[in-house]
Amino acid sequence: KAGVTQTPRYLIKTRGQQVTLSCSPISGHRSVSWYQQTPGQGLQFLFEYFSETQRNKGNFPGRFSGRQFSNSRSEMNVSTLELGDSALYLCASSQNPPGTGGFEQFFGPGTRLTVL
Amino acid sequence: AQSVTQLGSHVSVSEGALVLLRCNYSSSVPPYLFWYVQYPNQGLQLLLKYTTGATLVKGINGFEAEFKKSETSFHLTKPSAHMSDAAEYFCAVSDNFGNEKLTFGTGTRLTIIP
Repeated sequence: KAGVTQTPRYLIKTRGQQVTLSCSPISGHRSVSWYQQTPGQGLQFLFEYFSETQRNKGNFPGRFSGRQFSNSRSEMNVSTLELGDSALYLCASSQNPPGTGGFEQFFGPGTRLTVL
Repeated sequence: AQSVTQLGSHVSVSEGALVLLRCNYSSSVPPYLFWYVQYPNQGLQLLLKYTTGATLVKGINGFEAEFKKSETSFHLTKPSAHMSDAAEYFCAVSDNFGNEKLTFGTGTRLTIIP
C-alpha cells in the first residue's frame, strides 16, 4: 500500500499570501488529521476530518481551515500568511471509525512552508 | 486536558548501551499512549502504543515501553543502542473516546556515540 503523500514538499510564500496544502491518505483510511511542527511550539494539532466532516479542531486562528473530499483526500488552507506560520505541516491518516480510538496514525513526510 | 512531559530534550548514549527516554503524562481519563520516531526530513513513524491490556508493550526496532499508571509514566527503553537509532522521539497521548487528536511532548533528540 502506498503511504500518506503530501504535496508540495516545500513551499515559499510571502506575508499576506494564502497557501493550500494537499494530503492523500492511505487507501481505505477515512480519518485525516493535520499537525503543525515548529521548533518553538513543537507538534500541535490543527484539525481532524472523517468522512468529509471536521470532527475535532485545535486552538488555531480562523486563518487555518481545512476540508476533506469524498475520496478522503484533504486540503488545508492558510490565509493571510504570517512569519510565524513557517513550519512543517504534517498530515496523518488512520482507520479510526467513530466511537473507537487508539488506532495508529500514519504520517506523511510533511510540507515545509517558509513565509518570507 | 491532557499533557505530556518528556524529560531531557537531548540524550546521548554510547553504541551498545541502554537507551532510556522518559515520558510522563497527565490525563483525566484512561489514556492511549504512543511513542513516535522522526528521522531528519521525514514524518513520524509509530514505534509502539498502549491502549489496554498488558502494560509492557513491545515495538519495532527492539524498543519497548511500560505503562505505569501509579507513576503516570510511559518510558521508552532499548537494551542496546544502535547508530541507526539516532533520531528525535516523541511521546504522545490521546483520550479513549475515539478522539484522534494526539497531544505530543516536546521531543527528545537521541544521539548515539560510536
